[in-house]
This record gives sequence, C-alpha cells and structure tokens, in this order.
Amino acid sequence: KAGVTQTPRYLIKTRGQQVTLSCSPISGHRSVSWYQQTPGQGLQFLFEYFSETQRNKGNFPGRFSGRQFSNSRSEMNVSTLELGDSALYLCASSLAPGTVTATNEKLFFGSGTQLSVL
Amino acid sequence: GIQVEQSPPDLILQEGANSTLRCNFSDSVNNLQWFHQNPWGQLINLFYIPSGTKQNGRLSATTVATERYSLLYISSSQTTDSGVYFCAVTANQAGTALIFGKGTTLSVSS
Repeated sequence: KAGVTQTPRYLIKTRGQQVTLSCSPISGHRSVSWYQQTPGQGLQFLFEYFSETQRNKGNFPGRFSGRQFSNSRSEMNVSTLELGDSALYLCASSLAPGTVTATNEKLFFGSGTQLSVL
Repeated sequence: GIQVEQSPPDLILQEGANSTLRCNFSDSVNNLQWFHQNPWGQLINLFYIPSGTKQNGRLSATTVATERYSLLYISSSQTTDSGVYFCAVTANQAGTALIFGKGTTLSVSS
C-alpha cells in the first residue's frame, strides 16, 4: 500500500506570490491534516479535513487555506507569501479520527514539501 | 491549550546504549503518539499510546495518563535510531489536531 504522497517536494517562491501544495493520503484514509514545521516554532497544526469538511483549524492567518476532494486528496493554499512562510509543510492521513481507537487515529506523514520564500 | 514538554532536548549515545525519553503534558489527553523524524525529514509513527504500555522490537513506550507523562524507551541503540523524537497529544474529541513537543534530538555514534 502506498504511503502519503506530497507534491512537489521542493518549491521556491517570492514574496507576494501564492502557492498550492498537494497531498494524497493512504488509500482508504479519510482524514487529512496539515502541519507546518520551522526551526523556531517546531511542528504546528494548520488544519484537518474529514469527508471534505474542515474539522479543526490551527492558529494561522486566513492566508492559509485548504480543501479536501471527494477522493480524500487534499490541497493547501498560501496566498500573499511572506518570508516567514518558509517551512517544511507536512501532510498526514488517518483512517477516521475521533473514534478513539488506535487504528483509526494513528497518523501517517508524507515526506513534506519544503517551501522557500525569497 | 495543552503544553507538551520533552526532555532531554539533546541526547548523545554510543551504539548499544539504552535511553529513556520523557514527555510531560499539562492536561488530560485522549490521544498521544510518538514519532521519529529521520535526518531526511520523514516522520515515522512509533506508537499510539494514550495510556498503558506497548512494545515494538527495541522500542517500548509507557503513558501514565493520571500523572500526565509518557516515556519512550530505546534499548541497544543503533546509529539508525538517530534523529528527532517527538511526542504529540490532543484532547480534542473530534479529530487529530496534534500538539507537538519540541522534540528530543538523539545522536547515536558507532
């Protein structure tokens, strides 16, 4: 079974541009969540989608948005890029969160998209 | 919100040594997971362990939910164990919005 796939692996953008990152979850997984990792702030939760609905949202500005499609694939978008948005963006999938079982809530991460904003 | 503290921040070991990593959390949780981030950035799920004890090969973990801490044990460490170990928790009943600790960086030398 293929793991979580994120594309692209590396991305270089300039300030003011926008960017779209893609994530394909493990087959059968219905939940996709996104995290930002920086040296200063560590790993921070961005948002989570389940059955095309946003279930949770972290403390990030509205420039960060996401969506989930009917096949569970997800995209996140960052508009009006700032230098501080440079980070590793990680996507994770799980079967069905909130059902409080180990199998359903265990998170599996992709390799991430390294975004550099110049 | 919940605070997650991991200790020690850095750990240097010789191959074959054992180690214990600790994760303290400030409130009750219903989801606690341990991850290993390898030098290439890949996060690997080691354990889902909101309470109790689990073992997987040379690794084992124990969470004492009533005392709000979890321990990750690594026995007979190998150079491939190097990387950053993260503890992550959530108390959110609807979803897996994990709050991560800052991690323990482990370096194992041969």
